[in-house]
Amino acid sequence: EIVMTQSPATLSVSPGERATLSCRASQSVSSDLAWYQQKPGQAPRLFIYGASTRATGIPVRFSGSGSGTEFTLTISSLQSEDFAVYYCQQYNNWPRTFGQGTKVEIK
Amino acid sequence: EVQLVESGGGLVKPGGSLRLSCAASGFTFTSHTMNWVRQAPGKGLEWVSSISTSSSYMYYADSVKGRFTISRDNAKNSLYLQMNSLRAEDTAVYYCARKRLTGDHLGPFDIWGRGTMVTVSS
Repeated sequence: EIVMTQSPATLSVSPGERATLSCRASQSVSSDLAWYQQKPGQAPRLFIYGASTRATGIPVRFSGSGSGTEFTLTISSLQSEDFAVYYCQQYNNWPRTFGQGTKVEIK
Repeated sequence: EVQLVESGGGLVKPGGSLRLSCAASGFTFTSHTMNWVRQAPGKGLEWVSSISTSSSYMYYADSVKGRFTISRDNAKNSLYLQMNSLRAEDTAVYYCARKRLTGDHLGPFDIWGRGTMVTVSS
């Protein structure tokens, strides 16, 4: 099983600032990496797939990068609606696995 | 509107069974691999199971293998999860999720339902 490790667990950021979230895979997943946003009481929402492709309707301030085992989600200028939990997921191998999540909170 | 609606959750005793359903609408159900993902209270996401378009392959997390069975009825645009021998650790919100249409079996989950809560307790 590929273990996905996200860091940090919690990120405190002020509105308008840049946020950088990391995700590491225990073995290469190529570019088969997705990022999801989840707000309290809601289902997850696909934000990034293929490591760097924004899903439909996702603002350009969200960008993904990386390949192999190291991945990054960057939010260039945090807006109030961006405070949430973000999960990475690999879909290169079975079982599909998620990271434990990074909570982006208001500083 | 593309939509997934789960149902069938509830309170069940340890060792009991439950069958979850997911009704799909607004897209060509037969074209998409479908999935179940769960989330225990206050915890992260855990992939549970996947089924291909024609049910030719099914995969399960080790934590549910031998106890849960995924199935689909393409004529009814529906996905199912039969859960047997339930344990307290199966308590979670269960989400139905669609795999994004790609040319192979690799792809993220691009549409999610709102989930149905399963509580296993005596």
